[in-house]
Amino acid sequence: EADIYQTPRYLVIGTGKKITLECSQTMGHDKMYWYQQDPGMELHLIHYSYGVNSTEKGDLSSESTVSRIRTEHFPLTLESARPSHTSQYLCASSGTGNSPLHFGNGTRLTVT
Amino acid sequence: DAKTTQPPSMDCAEGRAANLPCNHSTISGNEYVYWYRQIHSQGPQYIIHGLKNNETNEMASLIITEDRKSSTLILPHATLRDTAVYYCIVRVANSGGSNYKLTFGKGTLLTVNP
Repeated sequence: EADIYQTPRYLVIGTGKKITLECSQTMGHDKMYWYQQDPGMELHLIHYSYGVNSTEKGDLSSESTVSRIRTEHFPLTLESARPSHTSQYLCASSGTGNSPLHFGNGTRLTVT
Repeated sequence: DAKTTQPPSMDCAEGRAANLPCNHSTISGNEYVYWYRQIHSQGPQYIIHGLKNNETNEMASLIITEDRKSSTLILPHATLRDTAVYYCIVRVANSGGSNYKLTFGKGTLLTVNP
């Protein structure tokens, strides 16, 4: 069973603030992903990484940025939060071949 | 990734089998079928996946038709805790590039009734 952790679980923050959403996994997975999901809506891939120093944009354009300096850590940063960034952000990781994705429980972000 | 089609919602009585269909008529020979579910406000949970043979694990069974154009996820004895959105996804495995990512659709909302 993959262990993947996201913090914080909930975050309420004012417009213009810089925020970083944390995601860590303990399984040594090379591949990590960030999805964004509005309530009752589909998940959309916004960033992914195939390993250290590798990051790619996903299917949905996002003003957030990511970094992958360590295998186990894949943080997402918003330089200046806006109300339009209010959403749930889900992090996932996967191993090699046909290994399934394992998701964290998400960070629910509210920008006021 | 091949497109999948699922009914938007289904109901099932508690204790009965829940059979969730998925159509993937454009699936390629090297694409796997994956099933996930998402319980309200939680991250998606992996259930099962397969290529062409039927698969079974402690959570569910996956039946893939011989032509691989459709599949059915079976929860043998549904409980109230199985109420969730179920996603059927096809994805190429064992290849590089962007093919490791999963594209989620709208899924099927399964409601298990007492």
